[in-house]
Amino acid sequence: KNQVEQSPQSLIILEGKNCTLQCNYTVSPFSNLRWYKQDTGRGPVSLTIMTFSENTKSNGRYTATLDADTKQSSLHITASQLSDSASYICVVSEHTGTALIFGKGTTLSVSS
Amino acid sequence: DAGITQSPRHKVTETGTPVTLRCHQTENHRYMYWYRQDPGHGLRLIHYSYGVKDTDKGEVSDGYSVSRSKTEDFLLTLESATSSQTSVYFCAISDKTGDTGELFFGEGSRLTVL
Repeated sequence: KNQVEQSPQSLIILEGKNCTLQCNYTVSPFSNLRWYKQDTGRGPVSLTIMTFSENTKSNGRYTATLDADTKQSSLHITASQLSDSASYICVVSEHTGTALIFGKGTTLSVSS
Repeated sequence: DAGITQSPRHKVTETGTPVTLRCHQTENHRYMYWYRQDPGHGLRLIHYSYGVKDTDKGEVSDGYSVSRSKTEDFLLTLESATSSQTSVYFCAISDKTGDTGELFFGEGSRLTVL
């Protein structure tokens, strides 16, 4: 069964610190992997999209990595800010059409 | 921000009543999707549309129907709401198929069925 597992489920860090969120998937065949940020009460917003041939992609202080061999991805947040407090969702696309497999998300809380 | 408007944003209704949620886009994107988001679950696809009057079922389509009579509008209908349909519903749009296109989400519609 195609699955996307994210860890940790939740994380609390101090403002200014770095953190890394993990995503493991079993989706096959694989098309691309996406990271979304979802603020409380809002819709998800895309951070990065990576195909199987890309192993890193950045968007400001957010850097996503992908290892298609081990089926793992990580999202690294540098110099965290209070506004980074949100849920981060990993999404893997099957190479069959419309199927997107969503992870349950990691809830990040940044405190001052 | 992508021009996506969901209405209503909040609704409380009673079991057995019909409910319609509306998604309106100004981006002229071909593909539109309805998802639901529940605690302990990732977003799950209810129905999607790949053009006017062209729709198909997602993984959790039971109890829901959709219609798309215009490019800009995608309606989600609960014919007879049940408590299990209490959820946050998100509309999403894309200009390409799901496996390649970037998804843009609306702000969500919170539905409570008593």
